[in-house]
Amino acid sequence: EAGVAQSPRYKIIEKRQSVAFWCNPISGHATLYWYQQILGQGPKLLIQFQNNGVVDDSQLPKDRFSAERLKGVDSTLKIQPAKLEDSAVYLCASSLVPGVRHEKLFFGSGTQLSVL
Amino acid sequence: ELKVEQNPLFLSMQEGKNYTIYCNYSTTSDRLYWYRQDPGKSLESLFVLLSNGAVKQEGRLMASLDTKARLSTLHITAAVHDLSATYFCAVGYGGSQGNLIFGKGTKLSVKP
Repeated sequence: EAGVAQSPRYKIIEKRQSVAFWCNPISGHATLYWYQQILGQGPKLLIQFQNNGVVDDSQLPKDRFSAERLKGVDSTLKIQPAKLEDSAVYLCASSLVPGVRHEKLFFGSGTQLSVL
Repeated sequence: ELKVEQNPLFLSMQEGKNYTIYCNYSTTSDRLYWYRQDPGKSLESLFVLLSNGAVKQEGRLMASLDTKARLSTLHITAAVHDLSATYFCAVGYGGSQGNLIFGKGTKLSVKP
């Protein structure tokens, strides 16, 4: 079974530039998540989709971050404009069964963003 | 506000020794996870614990949950080098599957 795919693997940009990350979840997984993992910390949920609808985006800084999952499959996360404090690893995860709170999450390898 | 604290944050062990990682959390939750992360790799789910007294074991790792004390432990038995990784606990909150508060992680290094 193929895992959660993310690209690019690394990205270096200057502050105030824009950047986009892509995620393709495991086939058939209804729920997709984006997490931000700052160095030395655990991941923090940014947004959760169920199919192509947003379930929770309460921790997404909406003034600069946006995300979409138009066809209910792959997803993009965008930052515009980037700030120094956005330097982090951005993890995508997916899960199969919606509505089951203890459902197992499968994580991708992440995109490491450095903002200079 | 839910807070999750892990300790120790760094752990250097010798092969063959036993040790325990602790995960304390501040408010009631209905689920607790343990994850493993190798450098540059994705988070791998190890255990999910749902009820007081729950114990799960996989190989040299055993996780337990005490909901009254708001404490989970990850016990390592007879450590081997392959267990070197960062281990995170994560506690669920709210109704959404992805609403997890992660600890800062315990970086485990097992030396021969």
